[in-house]
Amino acid sequence: QKEVEQNSGPLSVPEGAIASLNCTYSDRGSQSFFWYRQYSGKSPELIMFIYSNGDKEDGRFTAQLNKASQYVSLLIRDSQPSDSATYLCAVNRATDSWGKLQFGAGTQVVVTP
Amino acid sequence: NAGVTQTPKFQVLKTGQSMTLQCAQDMNHNSMYWYRQDPGMGLRLIYYSASEGTTDKGEVPNGYNVSRLNKREFSLRLESAAPSQTSVYFCASSDPYPMTGGGYTFGSGTRLTVV
Repeated sequence: QKEVEQNSGPLSVPEGAIASLNCTYSDRGSQSFFWYRQYSGKSPELIMFIYSNGDKEDGRFTAQLNKASQYVSLLIRDSQPSDSATYLCAVNRATDSWGKLQFGAGTQVVVTP
Repeated sequence: NAGVTQTPKFQVLKTGQSMTLQCAQDMNHNSMYWYRQDPGMGLRLIYYSASEGTTDKGEVPNGYNVSRLNKREFSLRLESAAPSQTSVYFCASSDPYPMTGGGYTFGSGTRLTVV
């Protein structure tokens, strides 16, 4: 079992719709959770981080964390063609020092006009 | 501009050659990391440095060495390159304070091909 699992996609989303991405993790004691966006041929860039159960909103992005079920999700509202990218989930495990992250393989999102 | 600077951006090596990937950050971050990214595998940690003067192995350290030269610079060395080391390499640094996020700032990456 991978430490951090994501569906590879591609996830095809019509423009203006909501894209829903999921990520599950195996270490129940994981402390912090991150979502990165990576355009093809570019480096990952941080979108959001979340520490506590519940929802966290930032513009069109909402991160949702459920520690009991060990998943974190990312919602992208009003999806735009510029949101087409690979989205990486990352987790700071309880057994790791602060800052050391485990990454999922990413979900490719394609927003169609 | 503040950020993480990696050099070179592209490199082709012959099997057995050596090279050093350079990384420097100007954000006063304590922690620095080297990852490799392969298709379908995601980002895998090679080595990291929690603070100046310390380095630790990550998930895939074999065939690599690192040096934390000072707080700003963290280099990755391939002593004898192998085709299995063909990958995209990313350097990253992070803010040590949890309440400000702790997320990474990545460099632009080095595309390395070993033939």
